[in-house]
Amino acid sequence: EADIYQTPRYLVIGTGKKITLECSQTMGHDKMYWYQQDPGMELHLIHYSYGVNSTEKGDLSSESTVSRIRTEHFPLTLESARPSHTSQYLCASSRKHALDTEAFFGQGTRLTVV
Amino acid sequence: SQQGEEDPQALSIQEGENATMNCSYKTSINNLQWYRQNSGRGLVHLILIRSNEREKHSGRLRVTLDTSKKSSSLLITASRAADTASYFCATVKSGSARQLTFGSGTQLTVLP
Repeated sequence: EADIYQTPRYLVIGTGKKITLECSQTMGHDKMYWYQQDPGMELHLIHYSYGVNSTEKGDLSSESTVSRIRTEHFPLTLESARPSHTSQYLCASSRKHALDTEAFFGQGTRLTVV
Repeated sequence: SQQGEEDPQALSIQEGENATMNCSYKTSINNLQWYRQNSGRGLVHLILIRSNEREKHSGRLRVTLDTSKKSSSLLITASRAADTASYFCATVKSGSARQLTFGSGTQLTVLP
């Protein structure tokens, strides 16, 4: 079992609300990632971090923002949710300095914006 | 567009048969990884093959890598109903970015 946790697992909110998806890992990993995945579809990298105070945008443009104030914590925030944000959001982490390193995934947050 | 593309998109086989999934990618890589995802869950790492390796085994899994063709295959032997899941390949590109980029996945259904 991977020691990476996402909360909440499921979230249904109204349009215009501000939300924060939480992701925490206890493995001391420097690298953390957020992926967006529609059901049955590919994963799109939306944000990543190589360590504290390091955040970068991924390949897929996203209106979300992230922060990395602590190594173990990598929250994702949507300032004003819209129905187009409905998707599954997956958080992952891996060790920083090794090239041959697997990523560990959380269980995901399924977000529905109504 | 995505770095990796899996083929086929969906595969349905009987329990006990072998399942083969293919992955093609576009750029030079450091390594290629295969992950499994059960419906509605996160991904679980299965196996990693380095760019200087051609074949790797792990239990009922066999992975091949052909860097000249920029392709990889995942073979699951003696499949079980519990193998039903989506399978994704992911690559770590050469160079400084070192992001993990996923393909579109193959949905495998193993019928009992």
